[in-house]
Amino acid sequence: DTGVSQNPRHKITKRGQNVTFRCDPISEHNRLYWYRQTLGQGPEFLTYFQNEAQLEKSRLLSDRFSAERPKGSFSTLEIQRTEQGDSAMYLCASSLAWEEDQPQHFGDGTRLSIL
Amino acid sequence: GDSVTQMEGPVTLSEEAFLTINCTYTATGYPSLFWYVQYPGEGLQLLLKATKADDKGSNKGFEATYRKETTSFHLEKGSVQVSDSAVYFCALLANAGGTSYGKLTFGQGTILTVHP
Repeated sequence: DTGVSQNPRHKITKRGQNVTFRCDPISEHNRLYWYRQTLGQGPEFLTYFQNEAQLEKSRLLSDRFSAERPKGSFSTLEIQRTEQGDSAMYLCASSLAWEEDQPQHFGDGTRLSIL
Repeated sequence: GDSVTQMEGPVTLSEEAFLTINCTYTATGYPSLFWYVQYPGEGLQLLLKATKADDKGSNKGFEATYRKETTSFHLEKGSVQVSDSAVYFCALLANAGGTSYGKLTFGQGTILTVHP
């Protein structure tokens, strides 16, 4: 079990630029989740996939955000035309849909800073 | 909608003191409940879980009991160590009719600092 891997760990960019993050889930996990965590707050759900299908999206996910999981393995989260308010830690998690309680296993996150 | 409320922090204790971090929730149906811990610079790690009323989750000396009547899932540890210093998050996973809705709803987190 190599755990959930996220890249990059840190991203600093200027306002208005596009950024893309990658998440590699635990290999046998068919569910993959994206959360956003701002300083001093708990993570907030953004979206999740079962295999390659995106099953739910939060209202937090504006049209500048897009997530994909093209082959049901790794996922990417893209933010277009970044804004100051996008500065946060972006967390990825994975789980097995049929595992009791579906405990979600988290990566170490990608910290995004908008200048 | 679903929500989780944790006690206000931060919490500062001396080593070997007793710890309680309160957590209450609002949800439809019968959610599963979790405690996650986040050490500095790291992602969240599952600490313990409970899936139904009166279940007790336990791990590394930490315990929490799922109390449906009070909609609570308080975290306790009898004797804390310096290494327990971290941020603790209570979370729920909504369930309805046996179908799980995949997203976790988190509380705001409680910072715990343990001094030698």
